[in-house]
Amino acid sequence: QQPVQSPQAVILREGEDAVINCSSSKALYSVHWYRQKHGEAPVFLMILLKGGEQKGHEKISASFNEKKQQSSLYLTASQLSYSGTYFCGTEIASGSRLTFGEGTQLTVNP
Amino acid sequence: DGGITQSPKYLFRKEGQNVTLSCEQNLNHDAMYWYRQDPGQGLRLIYYSQIVNDFQKGDIAEGYSVSREKKESFPLTVTSAQKNPTAFYLCASSNAHLGPQHFGDGTRLSIL
Repeated sequence: QQPVQSPQAVILREGEDAVINCSSSKALYSVHWYRQKHGEAPVFLMILLKGGEQKGHEKISASFNEKKQQSSLYLTASQLSYSGTYFCGTEIASGSRLTFGEGTQLTVNP
Repeated sequence: DGGITQSPKYLFRKEGQNVTLSCEQNLNHDAMYWYRQDPGQGLRLIYYSQIVNDFQKGDIAEGYSVSREKKESFPLTVTSAQKNPTAFYLCASSNAHLGPQHFGDGTRLSIL
């Protein structure tokens, strides 16, 4: 079953923060996060494993709440380059296929 | 440099015609995937393969076929049975057990 992402779209000014959520009705093994710029291929950001710790680098980080089967992507002090559509992909068992959410369109304005 | 190469970048299909989209990777990945993306939509899985000579249907396999004769290659054929083929097609690969998926640059398919 497809994970649900929220919000569907968000508009920020440069320097503002944003949180994107990804929820599943099924128990998850892992959550992947990708960013896709218009007309381009998705690019991998990070993977969160069941039982793992919050991950991140620089100003983009994510967490995985196993009780809620929800992952959140945190973007702090946003930059213009953060604009794009963010997708979460969920995996219910190790080595199984990913199921992607509908995406969250993030726009960062000067 | 290692990566995934999709060709062609743009493809046009006539009514009743089968067309094949190419996907080649030199990342030595075991698993390969085909996704369809419609405007403003997420990625929907068409087919995937975790090992040579084996593949599984995804969520929208009807009207499509694949083969996996070599580890490096996973071509997708859009058959005439697929009545609405206009979309952006993405190929991806990953290590078989947990790993990020690496995507090609995609093929845009349209109907003439």
